[in-house]
Amino acid sequence: GENVEQHPSTLSVQEGDSAVIKCTYSDSASNYFPWYKQELGKGPQLIIDIRSNVGEKKDQRIAVTLNKTAKHFSLHITETQPEDSAVYFCAASTSGNQFYFGTGTSLTVIP
Amino acid sequence: GAVVSQHPSRVICKSGTSVKIECRSLDFQATTMFWYRQFPKKSLMLMATSNEGSKATYEQGVEKDKFLINHASLTLSTLTVTSAHPEDSSFYICSARDQGARYGYTFGSGTRLTVV
Repeated sequence: GENVEQHPSTLSVQEGDSAVIKCTYSDSASNYFPWYKQELGKGPQLIIDIRSNVGEKKDQRIAVTLNKTAKHFSLHITETQPEDSAVYFCAASTSGNQFYFGTGTSLTVIP
Repeated sequence: GAVVSQHPSRVICKSGTSVKIECRSLDFQATTMFWYRQFPKKSLMLMATSNEGSKATYEQGVEKDKFLINHASLTLSTLTVTSAHPEDSSFYICSARDQGARYGYTFGSGTRLTVV
């Protein structure tokens, strides 16, 4: 089955700096890669996703890149703000069916 | 956008009792819903896939007789933790797919189960 690895597990950045979270996956059949933000005691919220036919996608301060050959994808958050502090999960899916989640990254933005 | 309502948000029960958690798609129909379990500071682990009108598909290692899933309608799936034990204490989250949404999958807000 699919194996998704995520790094780093914790990340602290100064407000205004950029944050980068990286994930790798093992199943070359995976073709959908969403990123979720989870605040304490709440369910995950989708923040951005990318499909395998696209190499990069951007939505305001958030961007995701995908390298199919290397089987890795990354989340980039620019101009970080304290409200960006949360746990972020990457996931991989084949045709939007089962999702396999990374182990999560706890991001802290220091004011 | 698509909304998935999950209830209760928190529940405390005694060992040996059963607890039911509901997952509702509020403004769309979901033929498939997913149930996840999350341990503190850990990732989401898929427990089972709930299919409307048919039996759920359980992941390896998940006891189907302990975690009963019913998906009786296109907007409601329930997870019942039977004969709960303290080790069943966890955060349970459902998700559902809205075919017409920009982003296909929406998660519920989760249920914190504590078994005492």
